[in-house]
Formats: sequence, structure tokens, C-alpha cells
Amino acid sequence: KAGVTQTPRYLIKTRGQQVTLSCSPISGHRSVSWYQQTPGQGLQFLFEYFSETQRNKGNFPGRFSGRQFSNSRSEMNVSTLELGDSALYLCASSLLLSPDTQYFGPGTRLTVL
Amino acid sequence: AQKVTQAQTEISVVEKEDVTLDCVYETRDTTYYLFWYKQPPSGELVFLIRRNSFDEQNEISGRYSWNFQKSTSSFNFTITASQVVDSAVYFCALSRKETSGSRLTFGEGTQLTVNP
Repeated sequence: KAGVTQTPRYLIKTRGQQVTLSCSPISGHRSVSWYQQTPGQGLQFLFEYFSETQRNKGNFPGRFSGRQFSNSRSEMNVSTLELGDSALYLCASSLLLSPDTQYFGPGTRLTVL
Repeated sequence: AQKVTQAQTEISVVEKEDVTLDCVYETRDTTYYLFWYKQPPSGELVFLIRRNSFDEQNEISGRYSWNFQKSTSSFNFTITASQVVDSAVYFCALSRKETSGSRLTFGEGTQLTVNP
């Protein structure tokens, strides 16, 4: 069974731009979560989607948003990029909503210049 | 609030040595879940183990073993006869049972370097 896939793997943007990251969960998994990883803050939870509905949200500004499609694929969007948004963005999928084991994708490395 | 502490930032060992990675957690929940993940240089978090709060049995999987002690709020991870391929960052994480979804609270991670 294929794992979690994320596209693109690397991205370079400039301040003020917006970006959309994509995540395809493991086949059959209905829950998708997003995490941000930075050297200073470590791994932080962004949000979780299940059945196209956001079920849980971390402590991030409204510039960070996401959505989930009927096929469970998910996208996250960051608007008005700031230098501090440079990070590894990891997507994870799980079969059920809570508290099922989450399986992670390879991540998208975003660099904001 | 939940918190996970991995006090060891970096550990360096020589191949074939045993190494233990410490994890201490804080939670007010009576039902919770503990995890260990491995992050190799490629960046992907690889799931290693999940433990439920009501199951304090230790677990062994090949060279890996885990010691869960509720009395000390610890969930330590031991690698026996370490190998160079074990070099990675290891994260301990905690999750609670929520009706509206779940989130993983991660520790800061321990960078393990196994030298040949």
C-alpha cells in the first residue's frame, strides 16, 4: 500500500506570496493532519481534517488554512507569507479520527525569502 | 495542558553499544496514548510504536524495546546493539482521546548518532 504523499517536496517563495501544499493520504485513511516543523519551535500541530471537516486546530494565525476533499486528499494554504513560515510541513494520515496512529509523509520544505 | 520532555538533545554512541532515549510526559488525562517516531535525514517521520495508558506492558521488537512506567510518567526507548542505520532524530509524542479529533504533542527530539 502506498504511503502518504506530499507535493511539492521543495518550494521557494518570497514574502507576501501565498502557497498551497498538497497531501494524499494512505488509501482508505479518512483523517489528515498537518504539522509544522522548525528548528526553534519543533513539531507543532496545525489542523486535522476528517470527512471534509476541520475537527481540530492548533494555535496558528488565520493565514494558515486547509481543506479536505471527498477523496480525503488535503491541501493547506498559507497566505501573505512571512520569513518565519520557512519550515518543513508534514502531513499525516490515519484510518480513524481519534486517537488513531498517524502515518507521516515526507514533508514539503518551504523556504520564504 | 500536555507536555513531553526529551531531556537528551544529542546522543553519540559507537556501533553495537546499547542506548536509551528518555521521554517524560505530563498530562491530566487518565486515558492517553504515547508514541515514538523516528526521523531520518530524509525528513519523513516513521512510526515505531504506540502505547495506551492502560497498558503498561513493556514491549520488545527486535533490537528495540520500550519501558512504560506510569508511576514516573516515563516512556523510555532502548536500542540494543545499535547500528549506523539507527542514526536519526527520535521523537516521543503524546495524544489524548478527544471527541473532536486528536493532535500529537511532540517532545523536542533526541538526535542519535551511531558511529562505526
